[in-house]
Amino acid sequence: GIQVEQSPPDLILQEGANSTLRCNFSDSVNNLQWFHQNPWGQLINLFYIPSGTKQNGRLSATTVATERYSLLYISSSQTTDSGVYFCAVERDFNKFYFGSGTKLNVKP
Amino acid sequence: EPEVTQTPSHQVTQMGQEVILRCVPISNHLYFYWYRQILGQKVEFLVSFYNNEISEKSEIFDDQFSVERPDGSNFTLKIRSTKLEDSAMYFCASAPGPRETQYFGPGTRLLVL
Repeated sequence: GIQVEQSPPDLILQEGANSTLRCNFSDSVNNLQWFHQNPWGQLINLFYIPSGTKQNGRLSATTVATERYSLLYISSSQTTDSGVYFCAVERDFNKFYFGSGTKLNVKP
Repeated sequence: EPEVTQTPSHQVTQMGQEVILRCVPISNHLYFYWYRQILGQKVEFLVSFYNNEISEKSEIFDDQFSVERPDGSNFTLKIRSTKLEDSAMYFCASAPGPRETQYFGPGTRLLVL
């Protein structure tokens, strides 16, 4: 199957700092999504972004499909941003592969 | 706001027993998914379901697993004979269409003893 690598695996930030999370994938994909898993385990979809750039408040994401990577930007981080960020890709229709995640800890 | 619900929130079972995990997807969604997450690990895709049949399944989804949409609202995952390594959080998700945002339920934590 397709390999999905996320970096960094762990990230500690001071509140207010900015960060960039990266997702690399080993083959062309039809779909890419970013999720946030909060400390209580709930998975929340952040972006559906097979290509291009999208913004939602302090978060934005860019996918460069031809170069097989996606970036998630978090600006002015808050403690509520803590948790694990996963990217998931779909190559074969309706079959998804997740990366191992970036664990983010935002300190007050 | 509509949400995906899952029951039970926790289940403890003995190895070899059958378990059924239940999900109620968002009402106008047409695509349904099951994922699992072993504690501390990444989320793994199990199966996708559309139009009352399996669309895709992963290597994990072997003959011990089955899915069903028994009525217009529920979507179930059955594990026929549980093993210790089936202990995990199981998430259900639904989406209105293909290649659209998936909405996840809160999960069922399954512990096999």
